[in-house]
Amino acid sequence: SAVISQKPSRDICQRGTSLTIQCQVDSQVTMMFWYRQQPGQSLTLIATANQGSEATYESGFVIDKFPISRPNLTFSTLTVSNMSPEDSSIYLCSVEDDRAYAGYTFGSGTRLTVV
Amino acid sequence: GEDVEQSLFLSVREGDSSVINCTYTDSSSTYLYWYKQEPGAGLQLLTYIFSNMDMKQDQRLTVLLNKKDKHLSLRIADTQTGDSAIYFCAERAGGYQKVTFGTGTKLQVIP
Repeated sequence: SAVISQKPSRDICQRGTSLTIQCQVDSQVTMMFWYRQQPGQSLTLIATANQGSEATYESGFVIDKFPISRPNLTFSTLTVSNMSPEDSSIYLCSVEDDRAYAGYTFGSGTRLTVV
Repeated sequence: GEDVEQSLFLSVREGDSSVINCTYTDSSSTYLYWYKQEPGAGLQLLTYIFSNMDMKQDQRLTVLLNKKDKHLSLRIADTQTGDSAIYFCAERAGGYQKVTFGTGTKLQVIP
């Protein structure tokens, strides 16, 4: 299965600023997925990023708040814009395993604290 | 829509068996998964089961699926302290790539 490098692993940010999270995959993948895991909660899909097209956002998430780039088949970024303390979460990128039945492979996550 | 629920917490003694339960609502689920999340880490796929199976065993892990009741369980035999983590069940509905995750069960293993 793919190996994903995600950075930064953690950050503490001031409210009103923005943070860009990067994910690098060691193989070419069609789709990359971005998830949010709020404290003590499950994973919520933010958006699906396809190379060469705009990301598809889930209900409750908008491009202005979470702009995504997907410049090639091995890389994607998620920006958390104009942050507030409510954005404090773990953000995870993932790709589908090349064995379709085997689910997703995840990056190690970015733990974001907004103060 | 899909809904996947788990109990929040489970505590077991080292060497005992752990059973983590999960219920889901989408009858069109094709694959069901168990993921493990250790502190400060991403999610690691532990095992999966096709919806046309009712049991799968992989070393210390046994997955049981009751399609009628939409109930999935993960049994960990001879639980070790290294098994302490949060365990998520997840389902993938047929025809879609979206995977819905449960609320997670925190397993605490007492030495």
